[in-house]
Amino acid sequence: DGGITQSPKYLFRKEGQNVTLSCEQNLNHDAMYWYRQDPGQGLRLIYYSQIVNDFQKGDIAEGYSVSREKKESFPLTVTSAQKNPTAFYLCASSTSGSKYNEQFFGPGTRLTVL
Amino acid sequence: RKEVEQDPGPFNVPEGATVAFNCTYSNSASQSFFWYRQDCRKEPKLLMSVYSSGNEDGRFTAQLNRASQYISLLIRDSKLSDSATYLCVVNEGVRYGGSQGNLIFGKGTKLSVKP
Repeated sequence: DGGITQSPKYLFRKEGQNVTLSCEQNLNHDAMYWYRQDPGQGLRLIYYSQIVNDFQKGDIAEGYSVSREKKESFPLTVTSAQKNPTAFYLCASSTSGSKYNEQFFGPGTRLTVL
Repeated sequence: RKEVEQDPGPFNVPEGATVAFNCTYSNSASQSFFWYRQDCRKEPKLLMSVYSSGNEDGRFTAQLNRASQYISLLIRDSKLSDSATYLCVVNEGVRYGGSQGNLIFGKGTKLSVKP
């Protein structure tokens, strides 16, 4: 059953802690993305990667880091430098061959800073 | 600067009604267009990709007017299960590098279909 999985579904963090959100896909997609969604707001791009071992910053990369060591995996670390990390985090993927760039999303991780 | 604008709603309609959502975008170089559906506290799911001047899929019709930079989604014979937030999404081309372009998301229009 192909798809995108994210874990954990809910995550609670104390201020000052780094946390890593997992994203895995078995769709054989080359490109992967991380977005953040705040209540009443559109999705905003944090980072994206079009191939293994390469990634680019999006609109709001400050306070976040990523790695892309495997095609299937694109973990996101929320560092203590991120001032307002409480949000819904969504991972997506797409095929690199599509000029339209249709993206498909995982179920998301809700991060709350206590 | 507002890049993709949608009426936030909510749109409250009875079952069987026809409802239309509108969306405008600011970047005339935008290359492709989509409508996603997002249920409460869930991930967005691709509803339709909008090609050329528009396309139809069952009860759903999407239209694109490049000259006016306007996209619409029409839902006919609405069902209770259509209740969700509808996101207008635009691929405005390459912004940060890479070859595919980046998606810009509207804030969404909430639809509530009542019995």
